[in-house]
Amino acid sequence: DVVMTQSPLSLPVTLGQPASISCRSSQRLVHSDGNTYFNWFHQRPGQSPRRLIYRVSNRDSGVPDRFSGSGSGTDFTLKISRVEAEDVGVYYCMEGTQRPTFGQGTKVEIK
Amino acid sequence: EVQLVESGGGLVQPGGSLRLSCAVSGFTFSNSWMSWVRQAPGKGLEWVANIKQDGSENYYVDSVKGRFTISRDNTKNSLYLQMNSLRAGDTAVYYCARAWNLDSWGQGTLVIVSS
Repeated sequence: DVVMTQSPLSLPVTLGQPASISCRSSQRLVHSDGNTYFNWFHQRPGQSPRRLIYRVSNRDSGVPDRFSGSGSGTDFTLKISRVEAEDVGVYYCMEGTQRPTFGQGTKVEIK
Repeated sequence: EVQLVESGGGLVQPGGSLRLSCAVSGFTFSNSWMSWVRQAPGKGLEWVANIKQDGSENYYVDSVKGRFTISRDNTKNSLYLQMNSLRAGDTAVYYCARAWNLDSWGQGTLVIVSS
């Protein structure tokens, strides 16, 4: 089974400053169709998760362009160019190439 | 607008059963894989099960195999999760989500397994 490992697990950030979260997969995430089904989700306190990024680097509809995803193979990164107050919460990576598997989550809070 | 609305959660004793439902609107249900994901109190997300558009394929996380059954009724735009032999460890908010890669989520329904 694939294991997804996020770092850091806690990320204090300053408003207006950049932030970055890493996710490493125990296996290469390339589907037989050639796509890499790797996603990022954001869950605000008390809310349902929302998908931000799909297939490594594609933003979902309505996601601000300060969010960007990158990576390949086993190493992936979510970057926020300038953190805003609404970005607090927990961020999860998830691989969907095999059975959906989530990372442990990274809690983002304002310093 | 895509909407997914879960129902059926509640308090159940260990060993008991519960059936969750998810009513969807705003998209063509019969064209979409559908999934159930759960989140134990204060914990992270765990995929539980998913089902193909026509119900011909389904997959489960190992911890629920043989106890949970995912199903769907495309005539009613509804997804279901039959949960039997419930354990304390199944206590969680259960979300339904669209597609294998979970592009839209419901608000969740809370299942508490306790005596």
